[in-house]
Amino acid sequence: QKEVEQNSGPLSVPEGAIASLNCTYSDRGSQSFFWYRQYSGKSPELIMFIYSNGDKEDGRFTAQLNKASQYVSLLIRDSQPSDSATYLCAVNGGSARQLTFGSGTQLTVLP
Amino acid sequence: EAGVVQSPRYKIIEKKQPVAFWCNPISGHNTLYWYRQNLGQGPELLIRYENEEAVDDSQLPKDRFSAERLKGVDSTLKIQPAELGDSAVYLCASSLDVTSRETQYFGPGTRLLVL
Repeated sequence: QKEVEQNSGPLSVPEGAIASLNCTYSDRGSQSFFWYRQYSGKSPELIMFIYSNGDKEDGRFTAQLNKASQYVSLLIRDSQPSDSATYLCAVNGGSARQLTFGSGTQLTVLP
Repeated sequence: EAGVVQSPRYKIIEKKQPVAFWCNPISGHNTLYWYRQNLGQGPELLIRYENEEAVDDSQLPKDRFSAERLKGVDSTLKIQPAELGDSAVYLCASSLDVTSRETQYFGPGTRLLVL
């Protein structure tokens, strides 16, 4: 079992819709959770981080964390074509003592 | 504020040749990371420095890879000799410190192709 799992996609949503990206992790000791966006040929760029159970909103983005279920998600409201990218879930603070990435979910927002 | 700087951006070499990558972290960031990202995968940590000390190099293939961070600022990652399987993007990242909540900022990466 991989430490951080994401559906690879591709996930396609129409412009203006809500895109939902999901991530599960195996280390119950994990404490910090990050979502990075990576455009093709570019490096990862931090979108959001979340440390506590519940929701955290930042503009069109909402991160949700459920430590009991070892699940973290990212919602993108009013999706735009410019949101088309690979979204990487990353987890830190567990026994690995390093930032561990999932393989990413490729999102395409159709105009 | 300048971000993480890496060079070169692209490198094409033949197998068995040496190659080196350079990274300059964000000013004031004590922790520096080297990652390797294969196509369709997330970045994987190779080595982490706290100032000039390598504190986690457990995933660095030490038979052919080496790294240094002189004076706790710039860092160089070297591969000698390169193998076909080393083709990947090599990312450098930095953070203020090493706590689990600290955000890591990535450089543009070096795309390596080994022929």
